[in-house]
Amino acid sequence: DAGVTQSPTHLIKTRGQQVTLRCSPKSGHDTVSWYQQALGQGPQFIFQYYEEEERQRGNFPDRFSGHQFPNYSSELNVNALLLGDSALYLCASSLDRGHNSPLHFGNGTRLTVT
Amino acid sequence: AQKITQTQPGMFVQEKEAVTLDCTYDTSDPSYGLFWYKQPSSGEMIFLIYQGSYDQQNATEGRYSLNFQKARKSANLVISASQLGDSAMYFCAMRGRDTGTASKLTFGTGTRLQVTL
Repeated sequence: DAGVTQSPTHLIKTRGQQVTLRCSPKSGHDTVSWYQQALGQGPQFIFQYYEEEERQRGNFPDRFSGHQFPNYSSELNVNALLLGDSALYLCASSLDRGHNSPLHFGNGTRLTVT
Repeated sequence: AQKITQTQPGMFVQEKEAVTLDCTYDTSDPSYGLFWYKQPSSGEMIFLIYQGSYDQQNATEGRYSLNFQKARKSANLVISASQLGDSAMYFCAMRGRDTGTASKLTFGTGTRLQVTL
């Protein structure tokens, strides 16, 4: 039973560039969320996708966008990269959106912006 | 708004001893879930234990137990018989019931646990 998988594991980009991160949810899960974790901080919610639509969004600018595909996999896109976007990006999946459903996380993509 | 507070940036515990990691929370949701995650240096967030706000008993999962005191809004994690492999960052988190708060986990700043020989 495959867990949440993310690619790539590491990425180095230059300011102003665009990046796409990918996530496959745990088998049987239909809801995908993305989190940004800056060094030494707890993860911060970016947005959640369910039924191929963005259902909820955290306090992140429009430079952060996403997509969910019919097979429930998801992409996170960040445009016009800033140095401050350097972080670990975590994808999480769950079976539903109830408050008692634990999120299962992937290993993350570590993005460095130079 | 939801808020999680973890006041211990770092903790040390000797192998085979028990340790308590503190977590307090604040929310206006009448129903919510509390979670603890472990994050080793590899980066993956590993789900440890869940406590529902209306659960009558404290949650337990193997060596992990959650000391839930609703009136005090605290949800401390107790790890018994610590092992060297328990060395990691530990995050307390919560989800609400309402549309806006059920979609996301709100995390604390974490506690770094170091298990020593």
